[in-house]
Amino acid sequence: LAKTTQPISMDSYEGQEVNITCSHNNIATNDYITWYQQFPSQGPRFIIQGYKTKVTNEVASLFIPADRKSSTLSLPRVSLSDTAVYYCLVNKAAGNKLTFGGGTRVLVKP
Amino acid sequence: DVKVTQSSRYLVKRTGEKVFLECVQDMDHENMFWYRQDPGLGLRLIYFSYDVKMKEKGDIPEGYSVSREKKERFSLILESASTNQTSMYLCASTTQREKLFFGSGTQLSVL
Repeated sequence: LAKTTQPISMDSYEGQEVNITCSHNNIATNDYITWYQQFPSQGPRFIIQGYKTKVTNEVASLFIPADRKSSTLSLPRVSLSDTAVYYCLVNKAAGNKLTFGGGTRVLVKP
Repeated sequence: DVKVTQSSRYLVKRTGEKVFLECVQDMDHENMFWYRQDPGLGLRLIYFSYDVKMKEKGDIPEGYSVSREKKERFSLILESASTNQTSMYLCASTTQREKLFFGSGTQLSVL
């Protein structure tokens, strides 16, 4: 199973870039990496997904090195509303057991 | 807009009661999941289903069962609720290798 490991928490300030790294040493060849954001009392919502190198959308960027054993979610110029828990998930190519890691609690300060 | 609907936002039950948590999705997804979330413990997978009448145990299935009689509906059953099952329960659905869509969650209190 591709178990993931993330930092428990990170603090940042408005306008800064936040980078969260997730370790997934046992990732299989055809697995994808997906990141979710969760606010209190809500279900997680999808942010970004990638397989290798770099993916960028209107919300974030995802950097995946060649060995794919880790990935880094980058949130540019965070605001107070980006305070949330961020989860990485290895989306299995085979089988459907989608297991989350502990998540990273990001606190954005004014 | 895609939707995963959980039947109750808040639920209060007594110890020993049989509890049903219902989840319905309108996206024709084959995969559905039940997670529980407790402070500091992240999302833990209870059960999942990849097709009608099919189910697989997740990481913490003890004390729970599930039912998937129709593709759009996935039910989580607590056969005899206990206080340590007080938690937030989240349902999700997806197609293979696509993003998960989550419901809003059910906060269950077992007294």
